[in-house]
Amino acid sequence: AQSVTQPDIHITVSEGASLELRCNYSYGATPYLFWYVQSPGQGLQLLLKYFSGDTLVQGIKGFEAEFKRSQSSFNLRKPSVHWSDAAEYFCAVAQGAPKAAGNKLTFGGGTRVLVKP
Amino acid sequence: GAVVSQHPSRVICKSGTSVKIECRSLDFQATTMFWYRQFPKQSLMLMATSNEGSKATYEQGVEKDKFLINHASLTLSTLTVTSAHPEDSSFYICSASHEQFFGPGTRLTVL
Repeated sequence: AQSVTQPDIHITVSEGASLELRCNYSYGATPYLFWYVQSPGQGLQLLLKYFSGDTLVQGIKGFEAEFKRSQSSFNLRKPSVHWSDAAEYFCAVAQGAPKAAGNKLTFGGGTRVLVKP
Repeated sequence: GAVVSQHPSRVICKSGTSVKIECRSLDFQATTMFWYRQFPKQSLMLMATSNEGSKATYEQGVEKDKFLINHASLTLSTLTVTSAHPEDSSFYICSASHEQFFGPGTRLTVL
């Protein structure tokens, strides 16, 4: 069975500083990977996804993530964080190839990002 | 991106009552929708996969008689929490499509 690990429960970063959130996955086949952001009391917003192709994926809000098969990682990065980036971030892996019918996701435990002024 | 809505956004009910939560895909058809549960400060746990026109598929440990799922159309799935108890209090989130567009969630509080 697949699993996702986000080693950092909390990260505090100063506004304007760079941010990197770690994600490691365990999956026997080609992984389909996602990063989501959740503001308090809200649903999840998709930041970016990796299905195939270029291993450096660009997302919304200035985020990017790099798929490294050798390290089983899909770390999320942002060069300069804004106060509005304070939220909970979830990495997830889909079971099987994406298709119109959808695939259930396995989520990591999440990383809470706090942004200092 | 595609829009998924949930209704209600927040519900408070008495123990023993049933609560229905709706998940709608507003601008696309979804043959499959997913229901997740999220406890405070925790991650999302998949409860069940809702399939249009057929029975839902429940994850291990999820009581299908307690969490009734109906997916009667390509744009609507409903989750009914039957005979709710305080331990059912949680944040329930649905998603749809292969890109997993998520609804805004429903916070259920059972008194």
